[in-house]
Amino acid sequence: RKEVEQDPGPFNVPEGATVAFNCTYSNSASQSFFWYRQDCRKEPKLLMSVYSSGNEDGRFTAQLNRASQYISLLIRDSKLSDSATYLCVVTGYNFNKFYFGSGTKLNVKP
Amino acid sequence: DGGITQSPKYLFRKEGQNVTLSCEQNLNHDAMYWYRQDPGQGLRLIYYSQIVNDFQKGDIAEGYSVSREKKESFPLTVTSAQKNPTAFYLCASSFNRGENYGYTFGSGTRLTVV
Repeated sequence: RKEVEQDPGPFNVPEGATVAFNCTYSNSASQSFFWYRQDCRKEPKLLMSVYSSGNEDGRFTAQLNRASQYISLLIRDSKLSDSATYLCVVTGYNFNKFYFGSGTKLNVKP
Repeated sequence: DGGITQSPKYLFRKEGQNVTLSCEQNLNHDAMYWYRQDPGQGLRLIYYSQIVNDFQKGDIAEGYSVSREKKESFPLTVTSAQKNPTAFYLCASSFNRGENYGYTFGSGTRLTVV
């Protein structure tokens, strides 16, 4: 079983839509959680960390559910510039190994 | 500005050749990592190093070698033993301590076997 699993998509949504991605992880001892964004043929860039209490950064909201071992990312009022692949990342118990999901592709259409 | 630099951006390798990919960071990060990404795939860990002069195999280390002689540098050699080396290689670094420190990635090296 993979450490981190994501729906590969693509999610095709119109501008202004709200879209949500989920990601499940297998190791209950995982300590830290992140969402990264990767544009085509570029390196991944940190979008946001995911805290136990949930956190928001502008149009982006991340949630963690430890009991069910999943994290989510909600994007409100989608922009064309949000089109990218979103990677779910989970660390091991000692923070030093990061496990990446395969990514969920988002296409925002005019 | 602090950052992590990978070079070259594009690299072409002939069959049977060894090639070395450079990764340098000036973020004072303790740990450095090498990942491989294939088209439409996630990132797979090749090697990582948490301190100077020490490194650990990741999930797909066969056919690769690394060194960590300086905190700032973590070069990756793709040897002729790596049968399918064409991929996008990403170097990353992070602090070892504490939670919620993410990775910083370099801009990657695209390796193609010709």
